[in-house]
Amino acid sequence: NAGVTQTPKFQVLKTGQSMTLQCAQDMNHEYMSWYRQDPGMGLRLIHYSVGAGITDQGEVPNGYNVSRSTTEDFPLRLLSAAPSQTSVYFCASSFTAFPSSYNSPLHFGNGTRLTVT
Amino acid sequence: TQLLEQSPQFLSIQEGENLTVYCNSSSVFSSLQWYRQEPGEGPVLLVTVVTGGEVKKLKRLTFQFGDARKDSSLHITAAQPGDTGLYLCAGGLYNAGNNRKLIWGLGTSLAVNP
Repeated sequence: NAGVTQTPKFQVLKTGQSMTLQCAQDMNHEYMSWYRQDPGMGLRLIHYSVGAGITDQGEVPNGYNVSRSTTEDFPLRLLSAAPSQTSVYFCASSFTAFPSSYNSPLHFGNGTRLTVT
Repeated sequence: TQLLEQSPQFLSIQEGENLTVYCNSSSVFSSLQWYRQEPGEGPVLLVTVVTGGEVKKLKRLTFQFGDARKDSSLHITAAQPGDTGLYLCAGGLYNAGNNRKLIWGLGTSLAVNP
């Protein structure tokens, strides 16, 4: 019963490097999203997708790209890492495109802890 | 702009004590969810409430949605060390275009000491 799988769990990058955070879900969920969690800032939405081929920006999209070529996968790309992107990143999915609805809670992965030096 | 205020931010209590965590807003929500997050893991849904005045119980946890759907509370009876974690509330809002948006509180970090 995998749910939402994120890799890697930990990553250290130097400023200017690029990388991709992987996210896969095996629940056939329509909605997938990326959040970052920082002390004092809470969970902030980076990008989201309501289905394969459809992506949209959240509240803090700058410096990140996403694509959704399949229902299962939703990778997050950091184009040129900056120290301000040091954070814990969570991928989350839900059954429908409305994650706040009664029968469609968000299922989170266990996060990727990213440090940019 | 933080639309959901959670209080208290931190809480450290002894095993067996009762506690209440609050989630307040000036906005009206279509639904309100509570999640618990343990260290090194992602948040896990505890409950969703959708009706003003709704009360839901999950063992020793009681959740209430305010009559006006602007606030919610989580009450834990006889807290146990296993209740330790970060408690997050999240409210569902309709934004422009009638799309739903999820607004998160900053969380209440609870430590229950044996």
